[in-house]
Amino acid sequence: DQQVKQNSPSLSVQEGRISILNCDYTNSMFDYFLWYKKYPAEGPTFLISISSIKDKNEDGRFTVFLNKSAKHLSLHIVPSQPGDSAVYFCAASARYNQGGKLIFGQGTELSVKP
Amino acid sequence: DVKVTQSSRYLVKRTGEKVFLECVQDMDHENMFWYRQDPGLGLRLIYFSYDVKMKEKGDIPEGYSVSREKKERFSLILESASTNQTSMYLCASSPGGAGGKTQYFGPGTRLLVL
Repeated sequence: DQQVKQNSPSLSVQEGRISILNCDYTNSMFDYFLWYKKYPAEGPTFLISISSIKDKNEDGRFTVFLNKSAKHLSLHIVPSQPGDSAVYFCAASARYNQGGKLIFGQGTELSVKP
Repeated sequence: DVKVTQSSRYLVKRTGEKVFLECVQDMDHENMFWYRQDPGLGLRLIYFSYDVKMKEKGDIPEGYSVSREKKERFSLILESASTNQTSMYLCASSPGGAGGKTQYFGPGTRLLVL
């Protein structure tokens, strides 16, 4: 049972355009969501997070949107740069999760073409 | 800056060998995690620990064990390595307490079992 799903395994975008990565979840108890970025042969690095009390959080070129009624979140990257090419994972947690456990999606590989 | 280090970047082992993967964090985090990453499957939780000497099974604990004798160190043990344990292994840590917590990852260990 996949509680966090990223239905697009890959996405290709032109440099300078917007990249939109999507993530759906099924557990209504999730109240904290994160996006991570991963380059090959490296560990994931934290990008941006959002609490369920908000519907938007912005950090530079990165914005995360949360639609609780649709159980959907998205990551917008504007403008996209070739260095953004990586695998992006969304993750979710619930307050009751012991030990800060996160549930990860399968990942979306973003390719930004010059 | 949180630093999570893993003992090896690359390992090659033979089927049946006992394998130790070590992880150390320097931020006094209560929670530590071991994941494996495989293409198309995202990050899957093997084991986690929310305190010294405490351990909890994740989603795929079979064939693995863990040890946490000190707060900063979390070891993953493959008792008898098998070819289906060839994967990228990622260690992470996060602060304790209630609410959503960001996990910080090490660089990963790519394990090949022949």
